[in-house]
Amino acid sequence: DAKTTQPNSMESNEEEPVHLPCNHSTISGTDYIHWYRQLPSQGPEYVIHGLTSNVNNRMASLAIAEDRKSSTLILHRATLRDAAVYYCILRDPYNNNDMRFGAGTRLTVKP
Amino acid sequence: SQTIHQWPATLVQPVGSPLSLECTVEGTSNPNLYWYRQAAGRGLQLLFYSVGIGQISSEVPQNLSASRPQDRQFILSSKKLLLSDSGFYLCAWSGGLPHTGELFFGEGSRLTVL
Repeated sequence: DAKTTQPNSMESNEEEPVHLPCNHSTISGTDYIHWYRQLPSQGPEYVIHGLTSNVNNRMASLAIAEDRKSSTLILHRATLRDAAVYYCILRDPYNNNDMRFGAGTRLTVKP
Repeated sequence: SQTIHQWPATLVQPVGSPLSLECTVEGTSNPNLYWYRQAAGRGLQLLFYSVGIGQISSEVPQNLSASRPQDRQFILSSKKLLLSDSGFYLCAWSGGLPHTGELFFGEGSRLTVL
């Protein structure tokens, strides 16, 4: 069972910011929050991860709620190439098998 | 740099035939290895993971099996395929425990069982 909840789908316009939410109310103190995305017919690709503080990289930003029960992946300017399924997962660094992906959010980007 | 490869990329097999998918990782040692399956339009299902040679853990009971004959080689097999085995199979690796970094996925193998 995935320990995260995400909307099934979202739409965005090209060049606009996108905020993809994820709820993880049962997160433990040691769980890291990871985001991946999957383009059609490809394997998932790592996007970003964090523990408590907000994180930024060249692909996206990750905003983590103060109580860590939710997080938001932020794409600052959506492009058509960002259309993908985005997965939010929790990773226990001391548990090898704790890599379960839910259904994710299918992001559609409109030109 | 580390790379992961899996093959074949696509295959069509009749029901009851055997299966062998292979995955290899280069540029790292003692990786954790994973096999996932994705049915059409669905999320990823963790099938097997391995923390070392000969060490396999199964997440879901099924007619598939996995083996790790070498440190950086992970094989997914079946003696007799079922229609329900069709899907997109993904191999992935990560660093050993304790780990906080990402999973790296292969290109995937699309299996159609007829």
